[in-house]
Amino acid sequence: QKEVEQDPGPLSVPEGAIVSLNCTYSNSAFQYFMWYRQYSRKGPELLMYTYSSGNKEDGRFTAQVDKSSKYISLFIRDSQPSDSATYLCAMKVQKLVFGQGTRLTINP
Amino acid sequence: SAVISQKPSRDICQRGTSLTIQCQVDSQVTMMFWYRQQPGQSLTLIATANQGSEATYESGFVIDKFPISRPNLTFSTLTVSNMSPEDSSIYLCSVVQGSSYEQYFGPGTRLTVT
Repeated sequence: QKEVEQDPGPLSVPEGAIVSLNCTYSNSAFQYFMWYRQYSRKGPELLMYTYSSGNKEDGRFTAQVDKSSKYISLFIRDSQPSDSATYLCAMKVQKLVFGQGTRLTINP
Repeated sequence: SAVISQKPSRDICQRGTSLTIQCQVDSQVTMMFWYRQQPGQSLTLIATANQGSEATYESGFVIDKFPISRPNLTFSTLTVSNMSPEDSSIYLCSVVQGSSYEQYFGPGTRLTVT
């Protein structure tokens, strides 16, 4: 069993839709949770990060962590074509462990 | 956040040769890492580059194949030695600043081995 599981997609939604991206994990020692966005042929860009259960909002993005269920989510509101990218969840105790990444396409 | 640059951005190399990738950060960082991302895959940690001492390698990666240097707090190199087509990947430098847990990535070096 992988430490971090993420549905690789691909996921395709119309512009303006609410997008939900999810990861589950097995290691209860993970303390820090991050979401990266990676455009094609670019390095991963740190999008959001948190270290506690609950929600964290930044503009159109909301990161949610449920440590009791070992489940994290990223919500994108009013999705735009520019949000089309691969989204990677990642978590760490000391080393960062990544999910497989979900390829997201927002259709105009 | 730190600004990270990598050289070269891409290269095409012949089997059996070696390539050294440079990572330069615009400010001092506490930790530097090297990752590999194979086509269509997620990121795999190769090693932690330790300043002034030998790098710490992850399982499946060895110093003879991936020698790493980190002479100071802003610079590191990764060499991919005796390359084979299986080494074709994106190689990414990553850093952590201070006591923060936030980790940032460089733009990557796209390596193709023929």
